[in-house]
Amino acid sequence: DGGITQSPKYLFRKEGQNVTLSCEQNLNHDAMYWYRQDPGQGLRLIYYSQIVNDFQKGDIAEGYSVSREKKESFPLTVTSAQKNPTAFYLCASNWGAFGTNYGYTFGSGTRLTVV
Amino acid sequence: AQSVTQLGSHVSVSEGALVLLRCNYSSSVPPYLFWYVQYPNQGLQLLLKYTTGATLVKGINGFEAEFKKSETSFHLTKPSAHMSDAAEYFCAVSDRRTGANNLFFGTGTRLTVIP
Repeated sequence: DGGITQSPKYLFRKEGQNVTLSCEQNLNHDAMYWYRQDPGQGLRLIYYSQIVNDFQKGDIAEGYSVSREKKESFPLTVTSAQKNPTAFYLCASNWGAFGTNYGYTFGSGTRLTVV
Repeated sequence: AQSVTQLGSHVSVSEGALVLLRCNYSSSVPPYLFWYVQYPNQGLQLLLKYTTGATLVKGINGFEAEFKKSETSFHLTKPSAHMSDAAEYFCAVSDRRTGANNLFFGTGTRLTVIP
C-alpha cells in the first residue's frame, strides 16, 4: 500500500545535539512538507519541497534544515540552534504544484522530546 | 495569503447529538477546502474535500460539509455523534488562483463526545 512513513515514532534529544527525522513516501508525489505541531497552535509549516533538489522555507524554518536528494525522501534535521524543539512533527506529501489540489497525505508523526 | 478561522477550539456534544464544527476562510476567490481529523499521537487523515461541483460534500465516518460562497464558510456536520468521533479536527484551504498546492490550516477544534 502506498503511504508516508515517518521514523522514529518517538525521539529524545539531548541539549546541543542535532537529530534527523526521516520521511519516506511511495506515492510518487512531487511535493513534500514538514509541519510542527504544538498544543493549541495547530500546524506550522517548517519547510517544503516541490521538486527534487529544491526546497523553500516555511513560516518557522529557523533552527531546522532539510534535503531533497530523492523524490521519495525528505529528511528534517533539528539543529542545536532550535531552542525549543520539543513538539510533534508531521510530514506530508501531495501531487505537483499545478492542477486540482486533492489535499495532503500525512505520515503518522514523530514526537521529539528534549531531555 | 489565505487564512482559515475555526470558531471554538473545544466543542463538546452528547453521544447521538448533532456535531457542528465551524470553518470560515478569507478569499475573494473560492479556494479548495478540506477537513482533516487527527486522533491522539497520529497524523492527519482526510475526512472530505471540496474542489468543484456540488457544494454539499460527503466524507468518511458519516461527516459532511457544505461550501457556502456567500458566507465564505465550510462547516463540518454529522447528524449523530459517536464516541469514536472524539478527536481534533482541522479545516484547511488552498489557493485556487496561484496554482500552488500549499495548504493553510486552521488552529483546530477538539471534539469531546459525552456518553
